[in-house]
Amino acid sequence: AQSVTQLGSHVSVSEGALVLLRCNYSSSVSVYLFWYVQYPNQGLQLLLKYLSGSTLVKGINGFEAEFKKSETSFHLTKPSAHMSDAAEYFCAVSEGGSQGNLIFGKGTKLSVKP
Amino acid sequence: DAMVIQNPRYQVTQFGKPVTLSCSQTLNHNVMYWYQQKSSQAPKLLFHYYDKDFNNEADTPDNFQSRRPNTSFCFLDIRSPGLGDAAMYLCATSARLAGSLDTQYFGPGTRLTVL
Repeated sequence: AQSVTQLGSHVSVSEGALVLLRCNYSSSVSVYLFWYVQYPNQGLQLLLKYLSGSTLVKGINGFEAEFKKSETSFHLTKPSAHMSDAAEYFCAVSEGGSQGNLIFGKGTKLSVKP
Repeated sequence: DAMVIQNPRYQVTQFGKPVTLSCSQTLNHNVMYWYQQKSSQAPKLLFHYYDKDFNNEADTPDNFQSRRPNTSFCFLDIRSPGLGDAAMYLCATSARLAGSLDTQYFGPGTRLTVL
């Protein structure tokens, strides 16, 4: 069965510092991978996705992620954190050929210090 | 702009009093999903409609029902809300064609409080 592990329920960085949010998944088949961001009392907004092709995926707000099949990872990065990046981030996976149902990680809350 | 709309954004109900949450979409997507998200937890899929076909997750309580009268609208009915049903309820849509997958787009959510 699929599962998604996000290392670190809380991550704190200083404004301007590198943001690294980790995501590992377990699946024996091909997968589609997603990162969503959730601001307080709001729905989930898609940051980026990997379906196929280039393993380095660029998303909105300067975020990017790299799919590493050998490491079953899809870590999210941003070179320079901004105060507006403070939110909760969810990694999700969907197995290729499935009904497309998403399995979410438990989320990582990102804090940005001035 | 095409979007997913949820009404109301905040809903308060009493223990045991039926409540209905609404979701509409202007994306013309054929799949609509309902998720439950409790505080500091990941969203959990309750069920989804693929066109008119209803797909219930195995562990979704019978207390939760759904209706999809047309492509644009989908409703979540909670027949007898308990205190444990207090949560954010998220609606999402996607365009799923045979053999392919599209991204899920989420609405802003309805936060349900049970008194």
